Amino acid sequence: ETGVTQSPTHLIKTRGQQVTLRCSSQSGHNTVSWYQQALGQGPQFIFQYYREEENGRGNFPPRFSGLQFPNYSSELNVNALELDDSALYLCASSLKAGNTIYFGEGSWLTVV
Amino acid sequence: AQSVAQPEDQVNVAEGNPLTVKCTYSVSGNPYLFWYVQYPNRGLQFLLKYITGDNLVKGSYGFEAEFNKSQTSFHLKKPSALVSDSALYFCAVSPFSGGYNKLIFGAGTRLAVHP
Repeated sequence: ETGVTQSPTHLIKTRGQQVTLRCSSQSGHNTVSWYQQALGQGPQFIFQYYREEENGRGNFPPRFSGLQFPNYSSELNVNALELDDSALYLCASSLKAGNTIYFGEGSWLTVV
Repeated sequence: AQSVAQPEDQVNVAEGNPLTVKCTYSVSGNPYLFWYVQYPNRGLQFLLKYITGDNLVKGSYGFEAEFNKSQTSFHLKKPSALVSDSALYFCAVSPFSGGYNKLIFGAGTRLAVHP
């Protein structure tokens, strides 16, 4: 158990819709990041939040956005869903940059 | 460009034999290096990391990894493989630039341990 929990575990959306994925970080971890793992590939960094502000972003368009709350829980929002957004979305938390990063079980998103 | 290469899509090994899963990286500065394991339809589980110090790092489930700066490699090893070690293994590097925790992952290596 990593102490990082994600919801929902599976969901199906239609192209053009919007989705919100949720994450509860390990207790005390103030840094949360999100990754997209397409089938058969390694995870790709989407962005990171530290103390409720985005402080790093990968090569993802602005329709991928996030929030981090004072209790360090987090959301990933994706607007205008595309078929290629179908993937496993992983939330990860750590105490600070350079420390071990712990991952949740992920949310499987299918866009049809 | 920063990158991680796992040259083998799959590694096959007999139970009880030693195993090696290869990883090389390309990143400026002194990187942090990680290995994670992923079981079917699951998230990533942390195995071990190298930050600094001894080049041989010991981790969970009897795994270890050897950091070689001159060869920019961080190969994962285990002296005696178990069938339960069969899974997908990811090497990752954190360039730790900009003060954030971005991990760059390799494409993964599927380990198959046969009885």
